[in-house]
This record gives sequence, structure tokens and C-alpha cells, in this order.
Amino acid sequence: DVKVTQSSRYLVKRTGEKVFLECVQDMDHENMFWYRQDPGLGLRLIYFSYDVKMKEKGDIPEGYSVSREKKERFSLILESASTNQTSMYLCASWGRGTAENEQFFGPGTRLTVL
Amino acid sequence: AQTVTQSQPEMSVQEAETVTLSCTYDTSESDYYLFWYKQPPSRQMILVIRQEAYKQQNATENRFSVNFQKAAKSFSLKISDSQLGDAAMYFCAYASGSRLTFGEGTQLTVNP
Repeated sequence: DVKVTQSSRYLVKRTGEKVFLECVQDMDHENMFWYRQDPGLGLRLIYFSYDVKMKEKGDIPEGYSVSREKKERFSLILESASTNQTSMYLCASWGRGTAENEQFFGPGTRLTVL
Repeated sequence: AQTVTQSQPEMSVQEAETVTLSCTYDTSESDYYLFWYKQPPSRQMILVIRQEAYKQQNATENRFSVNFQKAAKSFSLKISDSQLGDAAMYFCAYASGSRLTFGEGTQLTVNP
């Protein structure tokens, strides 16, 4: 089974802190994604990566950056956390060997910025 | 840009009854995939059912089936014989290439 893990289930940070959210997948998938989930807005794509060191902006990249130094790991970085970044963050992965376009999700990190 | 709309923020159903969740989408592409994902209180996103746009036959997975109307750009999910474990947030999603676009979600409550 594909497994996608995220470093924390819950995280509380202060305004202005630098925040790292880590995601690891164990299926050698080429593509990895970071989403933000907010009530009434569904999931919105922040960034995605289709290969090591490659990244593309999603629909809401402002205030975020990403890093993919190894194929299995995709990090989301909040350079200076703000209260409007309080949200649920979901990581997902997809590989060419899996069923068409099916993404596999991690359990999510609920981030609170005070 | 593709958009996905779920017009029902909340739905409820009695156990053992049938419920239909609505989803519409907008695209100019002809080849794409549509999905329904389920997110229970554990927050783990689970794929419920997948539909390929070039297939006219509606997808079915046990108690879950879809009504895919390509011309109308409609993709509804029918849950038959509802069970308490079906209670969750349901997301409709559109995929073209590797990117998914999600709807706002429908919170389904199952009443015993």
C-alpha cells in the first residue's frame, strides 16, 4: 500500500516564525503536492513537484515555498507565518505506475498560527 | 481554468436509505478524470470512485455509483444502503494531467 506520512498532526506556531511541514512517501512517486484545506473552500493547491528539485506554483503559492531535495520528501515552508495561514495542510503523491491521476494523501497537519 | 462546484454544503440521510451528492464542473478539455474522495473525521482522504471522461458507462463501486453527464458537466455520487460509516466530508475532484481541482465539499450525516 502507498503510504504518505506528514511530520505532525497538530502544530502551533507564533506569528513571524519560520515553519516547516514535512511529507514523505514510500512508493517512489514522481509527483508530490501540497494542499491547503479550509471550510467552504475545499482543497486548494499551493505547490507541486514533478521531480527532484523541480517545483511549480499552484493556485495559492503566496506566502509559501517548497523544497524537494530527495524524491521521497517534499517540504512546505512558511517563511514568516501569519494568522491567515492557520489551516489544515494536506500532502499527496502520485506516480505514473498508479491508477490514472489517483493521488494518495497523508493524514494532514492542522497548523495554528497565534 | 477548471472549476468544480458542489452546491450542497451539508446533506443528511437515514441509515439504509439512498442519498445523492451533486457536483458540476467547468472545462474546455475533452479528456479528463473525475473523482469522489471521502474524508472521515480521521481526516484521511480516501478515494471512493473514479470516472474517465471518455467512458460513457457510469462507474460503480459496491454501494457507490455515479451519474456522469458529460454534456451537462455533471458528476453526482449516489450512495445506496447508507451506513453510519459513510458519514464524512465528500469532495468531488477534476483531474487533467497530474493536477486535481476540488469542489468545496459536502458534509454527509447519516442518522441511525
